[in-house]
Amino acid sequence: QKEVEQDPGPLSVPEGAIVSLNCTYSNSAFQYFMWYRQYSRKGPELLMYTYSSGNKEDGRFTAQVDKSSKYISLFIRDSQPSDSATYLCAMFNNAGNMLTFGGGTRLMVKP
Amino acid sequence: ETGVTQSPTHLIKTRGQQVTLRCSSQSGHNTVSWYQQALGQGPQFIFQYYREEENGRGNFPPRFSGLQFPNYSSELNVNALELDDSALYLCASSPGGRYEQFFGPGTRLTVL
Repeated sequence: QKEVEQDPGPLSVPEGAIVSLNCTYSNSAFQYFMWYRQYSRKGPELLMYTYSSGNKEDGRFTAQVDKSSKYISLFIRDSQPSDSATYLCAMFNNAGNMLTFGGGTRLMVKP
Repeated sequence: ETGVTQSPTHLIKTRGQQVTLRCSSQSGHNTVSWYQQALGQGPQFIFQYYREEENGRGNFPPRFSGLQFPNYSSELNVNALELDDSALYLCASSPGGRYEQFFGPGTRLTVL
C-alpha cells in the first residue's frame, strides 16, 4: 500500500465547474501538505501548501486538511480549460527533507 | 529572478552506461532535492543536499549519487544504467528553513 493515495482520474468537468481533488495518507507523521500542478512534459508547479488542519484559500483555489482522517483536498472554483493538468498532492516527513507524492490526478476542463 | 534550470533537456543512453544530470538552483536557495518520475507516476524522492552535504536519501541504490557545489548548483550521477532508470529526473530547490520546493523542468532520460 502506498503512503499517499490519489485517484488517477482522468476527471473531466465542464468549464466553470467546481473541482474537488483528494488524497489520503497513512503516515500520521506527515506535516506540511502541498499541492502541485504539472502540465504535460513540464516540472511540477507549487500551487499551495498548508500545515494545520483547516482551510486555506488563494484565489480560485482552496486547500483543506483533515489530519484526524488523514485526508486532504484541493478545490478549484470556476474551473478554466487552462486548469487542465495533472494535480499532485505531496507531504513532508518529520525531518522536513523528503516530499512523498501521490500518483497524481489528471484533470480535463472542457470549454 | 531566475528559476530552477536543468540540463540537458533530453538524454538517451544504453544499459550499463553512466550519466550526469545538472541543476542550477533558484537564486538564494541553498537546498536542492532530486526526484525520479516514471511515466504516469508521482515523483519519488532520491536525495537532498543542503550546504554541500547530503541531507536525506530515499529508497534508491548507491549507484545514484550526487554533489552540491559552493554556488548551490547540483549534479545527479547514475552508474550502471538499467532500463527502469528511464524517467523524468526533477530537481527542486528551496530556501533554507522553508518547506516550499520549486521544481525545474526536468531531464528526460531514456535508457535503451
